[in-house]
Amino acid sequence: SQTIHQWPATLVQPVGSPLSLECTVEGTSNPNLYWYRQAAGRGLQLLFYSIGIDQISSEVPQNLSASRPQDRQFILSSKKLLLSDSGFYLCAWTDPPNYNEQFFGPGTRLTVL
Amino acid sequence: GDSVTQMEGPVTLSEEAFLTINCTYTATGYPSLFWYVQYPGEGLQLLLKATKADDKGSNKGFEATYRKETTSFHLEKGSVQVSDSAVYFCAFATGGYNKLIFGAGTRLAVHP
Repeated sequence: SQTIHQWPATLVQPVGSPLSLECTVEGTSNPNLYWYRQAAGRGLQLLFYSIGIDQISSEVPQNLSASRPQDRQFILSSKKLLLSDSGFYLCAWTDPPNYNEQFFGPGTRLTVL
Repeated sequence: GDSVTQMEGPVTLSEEAFLTINCTYTATGYPSLFWYVQYPGEGLQLLLKATKADDKGSNKGFEATYRKETTSFHLEKGSVQVSDSAVYFCAFATGGYNKLIFGAGTRLAVHP
């Protein structure tokens, strides 16, 4: 069966510090991968998606970047965090032949102080 | 542009009450529609889905019908339980890579 992991689960970082959030998927090959952010009291916003290694598409301009160095690894990064980067970050995957469902990880809660 | 509008929460109900959470969407074409649920401190889980007009998705006593004419996908449950307390998100898939567009979410609190 497929599983998706995210770490860390929670993170408190000062403004201006770097960020690296990791997401890995097990039990599938060539998944599409997604990063979403849920700001406090708001819905989810798609940040990045990837259809393959080193193939990243950004949905909104921002202070963040994403990378996919391996088939089942998706990393969200920032060189300098802003207060507005605080939120709940969710990674998701879908199996391209079955586009009708995305599976979400447990999320990382990031607080920037 | 593409968007989802959900009724604002929080919705507070007593156990065994009837639940409706309204959802309407603006999209190109006829996308697949979803309801996701987020329990406290957890990620999102797919609750139900519908892929074409007039389809009814159902799961755990929840139902939603894909209404093309009103571009709606309202979530209903006949008798809610305390364990249904969560945030519910309406969404649809857009584009060639199954990108999801979410509503703002509706928090449901069910009291004994």
